[in-house]
Amino acid sequence: DVKVTQSSRYLVKRTGEKVFLECVQDMDHENMFWYRQDPGLGLRLIYFSYDVKMKEKGDIPEGYSVSREKKERFSLILESASTNQTSMYLCASSRFAGGDTQYFGPGTRLTVL
Amino acid sequence: AQSVTQLDSHVSVSEGTPVLLRCNYSSSYSPSLFWYVQHPNKGLQLLLKYTSAATLVKGINGFEAEFKKSETSFHLTKPSAHMSDAAEYFCVVSGLYNQGGKLIFGQGTELSVKP
Repeated sequence: DVKVTQSSRYLVKRTGEKVFLECVQDMDHENMFWYRQDPGLGLRLIYFSYDVKMKEKGDIPEGYSVSREKKERFSLILESASTNQTSMYLCASSRFAGGDTQYFGPGTRLTVL
Repeated sequence: AQSVTQLDSHVSVSEGTPVLLRCNYSSSYSPSLFWYVQHPNKGLQLLLKYTSAATLVKGINGFEAEFKKSETSFHLTKPSAHMSDAAEYFCVVSGLYNQGGKLIFGQGTELSVKP
């Protein structure tokens, strides 16, 4: 089974702090994704990566950056956290592009005070 | 452009009765379509996937969905609801290939199951 793990289930940070969310997948997948989930809005894509050191902006990249130094690890960075970034963050991976099944981690619930 | 609309934000059924969660999609080509389920405080789990083979797709836990191109619909059904089916369900359509495997999510339908 594909396993996608995220470094924290719950995180509380203060406004202005730099925040790192880590995601690791164990199936040698090429593609990795970061989403945020908010009530009534479904999942919105922040960034994705289709190869090591490659990244593409999703629908809502403002205020975020990403890093993919190794194939199995994809990090989401909030350079200066703000209260409107309080949300559930979900990481996913897939083997192929073009609509392949994505496998999700359990999520990190981030609260910014 | 691809888009997906879940027609109900909340559905409530009694245990043992049928479940119908409605989804319409818009796509400029033949898409892949998915249903994912999210139980409270858990990540998303794939229920089923349509990829232009059989139009009736069977998934896990007794769920199935029918692809109807003429109606641009992909409704999720189950003959008999179980308490453990209470969760949030997402209908998803694949983005264009040059979007790097992007999936487009509906807003979600919360399913409640009453004893």
